[in-house]
Amino acid sequence: DGGITQSPKYLFRKEGQNVTLSCEQNLNHDAMYWYRQDPGQGLRLIYYSQIVNDFQKGDIAEGYSVSREKKESFPLTVTSAQKNPTAFYLCASSPRGIPEAFFGQGTRLTVV
Amino acid sequence: GQQVMQIPQYQHVQEGEDFTTYCNSSTTLSNIQWYKQRPGGHPVFLIQLVKSGEVKKQKRLTFQFGEAKKNSSLHITATQTTDVGTYFCADKGGSNYKLTFGKGTLLTVNP
Repeated sequence: DGGITQSPKYLFRKEGQNVTLSCEQNLNHDAMYWYRQDPGQGLRLIYYSQIVNDFQKGDIAEGYSVSREKKESFPLTVTSAQKNPTAFYLCASSPRGIPEAFFGQGTRLTVV
Repeated sequence: GQQVMQIPQYQHVQEGEDFTTYCNSSTTLSNIQWYKQRPGGHPVFLIQLVKSGEVKKQKRLTFQFGEAKKNSSLHITATQTTDVGTYFCADKGGSNYKLTFGKGTLLTVNP
């Protein structure tokens, strides 16, 4: 099946621990994105990447890090520096020249 | 960075009533996209508007892009319970692939 896979669907971590969220796509899309969704806040852009080995900060990058070593993969690390990490995280990808962004199912992270 | 403001934040209607959500920007947009997110789901692309004054229809949904390319609207005629969800506008600015979303309008429909 083609698509974007985020894993796991639910994730629990203790405060002070780093955690990495997985995002894999087999659509051969160039661009990939990470968003955070909180109630009433819409989708806020964390990081995005246009090509392998290159990525840019979005609007709320503090406390997060990413890598883009392969075209198919764009993992997001939520570090202990992120003050309010509990949220729903969505990964998306988009092909070159096509406007549509395709989203994964999301990972709901809870930090206790 | 460029932001798109979306109103209203919430809208509750009776089934059969019309619904409109508006997206506004202080600067000229190169294009505007609309997405729908069902409760518990992920956003799904509906449409992109590019031209000044553009109007596109998808069954009961009508999308408009303002003449100045600073605002856009999504209008649903005769809402149905299947229309429930959050509708987002999004700006994919310029050539740098940055895709920025508005805060969305949550639509609930009373059957």
